[in-house]
Amino acid sequence: NAGVTQTPKFRILKIGQSMTLQCTQDMNHNYMYWYRQDPGMGLKLIYYSVGAGITDKGEVPNGYNVSRSTTEDFPLRLELAAPSQTSVYFCASTFSGNTEAFFGQGTRLTVV
Amino acid sequence: GENVEQHPSTLSVQEGDSAVIKCTYSDSASNYFPWYKQELGKGPQLIIDIRSNVGEKKDQRIAVTLNKTAKHFSLHITETQPEDSAVYFCARIECGNKLVFGAGTILRVKS
Repeated sequence: NAGVTQTPKFRILKIGQSMTLQCTQDMNHNYMYWYRQDPGMGLKLIYYSVGAGITDKGEVPNGYNVSRSTTEDFPLRLELAAPSQTSVYFCASTFSGNTEAFFGQGTRLTVV
Repeated sequence: GENVEQHPSTLSVQEGDSAVIKCTYSDSASNYFPWYKQELGKGPQLIIDIRSNVGEKKDQRIAVTLNKTAKHFSLHITETQPEDSAVYFCARIECGNKLVFGAGTILRVKS
């Protein structure tokens, strides 16, 4: 099993551009999450989903959008990239009855 | 959600020594506390966890202790090895299995 797969691994965006960070998991997990990691700040929750068709905001949702049309995929959309969105983004998934979260390897995004 | 405070932010130990990382929380309803290890260039990975009905849990060289009255929990690594060098995050869990992380501790084991 591949687990949680994120693409791309690295990306440089110009201010105002848009992009989609892809996340897919092959473990049939119903819960999926997007976190961002900034130096010295730990990981902050952006959006999460408890199942296909259901999404909700986390702690830092501004500037982002998500969708969950299938159990496997949970893409994160940046519509108008800003320097404040320079960060490392992690996708994670778990079962509702399990507390261990499985993380992807991350996407390092730089907005210039 | 309410934050988790983690200390120290960096920790340097000699190989073979012990390392201790402490976290405090304020939400009395919290009942599950995981620890994640993040190696360079990778996502965090669960290494040990503890539930509120237990005071201590061990797994080989790693242990976690919980003091619910004082609202703090700690990670203990004994006989540290170079491969223990990583960033360690404590966390608490909210409904929906959402994780609220501490700021992280960079552990460096010197050989």
